[in-house]
Amino acid sequence: EPEVTQTPSHQVTQMGQEVILRCVPISNHLYFYWYRQILGQKVEFLVSFYNNEISEKSEIFDDQFSVERPDGSNFTLKIRSTKLEDSAMYFCASNPEIYGYTFGSGTRLTVV
Amino acid sequence: AQTVTQSQPEMSVQEAETVTLSCTYDTSESNYYLFWYKQPPSRQMILVIRQEAYKQQNATENRFSVNFQKAAKSFSLKISDSQLGDTAMYFCAFMSEGGHSNYQLIWGAGTKLIIKP
Repeated sequence: EPEVTQTPSHQVTQMGQEVILRCVPISNHLYFYWYRQILGQKVEFLVSFYNNEISEKSEIFDDQFSVERPDGSNFTLKIRSTKLEDSAMYFCASNPEIYGYTFGSGTRLTVV
Repeated sequence: AQTVTQSQPEMSVQEAETVTLSCTYDTSESNYYLFWYKQPPSRQMILVIRQEAYKQQNATENRFSVNFQKAAKSFSLKISDSQLGDTAMYFCAFMSEGGHSNYQLIWGAGTKLIIKP
């Protein structure tokens, strides 16, 4: 069964550093997403990506965040200057349309 | 704006018992989709079951079934013959059908389910 692959599984970074979280979505899916889950809290939508551009983003997704699909397979989330409150589990997902969401196994980001 | 509420932060039952997790939601839309996701300690998000709002029949997947009450905006998950491997966080999620939402999921806060041996 096709999978969404996320790397790394765990990343520790110093406050103020840039991080790039990587994802390989399922190739024939149309929609790509990033969600985050702060420990003990609910899952929050960050951004959706369709037709090689951002289609929707939440209030959380401010200027510190950006997404790219540089080569048609990878889908990256960049945080330019990390803050302590960015520590969370970040999930990538892809969706062919409507239902059929497939989540990656997540990247645990720890900002120290 | 849509909201999803899970009123049970934590539940525990004995192995082999049946347990029901509650979920209510608020929307003005008539067509939408509802989901239950399981998140075990590994923290991977696993789809358990989904329900299309236009279908009157409740979805079932083996030991998992839902009680979908559209008028009451209620979507509970029943786990029959619970197993130790069912121990996990369970999240209820809502998705609009309309393309304007880009099929974004709106999540409840989750219910921690513990199955005791």
